[in-house]
Amino acid sequence: GESVGLHLPTLSVQEGDNSIINCAYSNSASDYFIWYKQESGKGPQFIIDIRSNMDKRQGQRVTVLLNKTVKHLSLQIAATQPGDSAVYFCAERSGGGADGLTFGKGTHLIIQP
Amino acid sequence: DAGVIQSPRHEVTEMGQEVTLRCKPISGHNSLFWYRQTMMRGLELLIYFNNNVPIDDSGMPEDRFSAKMPNASFSTLKIQPSEPRDSAVYFCASTMTGTGELFFGEGSRLTVL
Repeated sequence: GESVGLHLPTLSVQEGDNSIINCAYSNSASDYFIWYKQESGKGPQFIIDIRSNMDKRQGQRVTVLLNKTVKHLSLQIAATQPGDSAVYFCAERSGGGADGLTFGKGTHLIIQP
Repeated sequence: DAGVIQSPRHEVTEMGQEVTLRCKPISGHNSLFWYRQTMMRGLELLIYFNNNVPIDDSGMPEDRFSAKMPNASFSTLKIQPSEPRDSAVYFCASTMTGTGELFFGEGSRLTVL
């Protein structure tokens, strides 16, 4: 079946550096993508989203890039801080707003001091 | 503002016992989702409701699992009888249909011995 997956299970970066977390998706009908951050013992928290009619969207220190040609999604975090240490999930949705999100397996981002 | 509220936060039970997990969505949200998270399978959508009506329960593992939403402010996920392989963190999430982001609760960690 179609799925969303992540390239790297663990990413370690130095504090202050930029980090890039990648995600591949296979459902060409997906029209909405979202990144979540999950800290230990907590529920996933929204970071940023993007619709399929866009290829880039920026937030505070975060940027999401969408390449529909190769079905690739990335999350860029600028000037990483210790508080950015968490598991990051990409998720996709097709079929309109009522359907649930399909999540990737997650990437564990570790910030080295 | 109160977020999605789940109870209990932790439950330890013995195989064969009935487990009931509870969720109070964000007031005004009309879609509610139940997810299960394990290390092996990540976040899996079990079932979702729209305007209190179950829309898709294809993710429910088997007949031992059931979910209800008797009103707009309350939902339950029941496992009867529970088995050790049901051990996981169960998340409830809610949203307004069409808005995109799902708002997650803090989860209920279930351990079945």
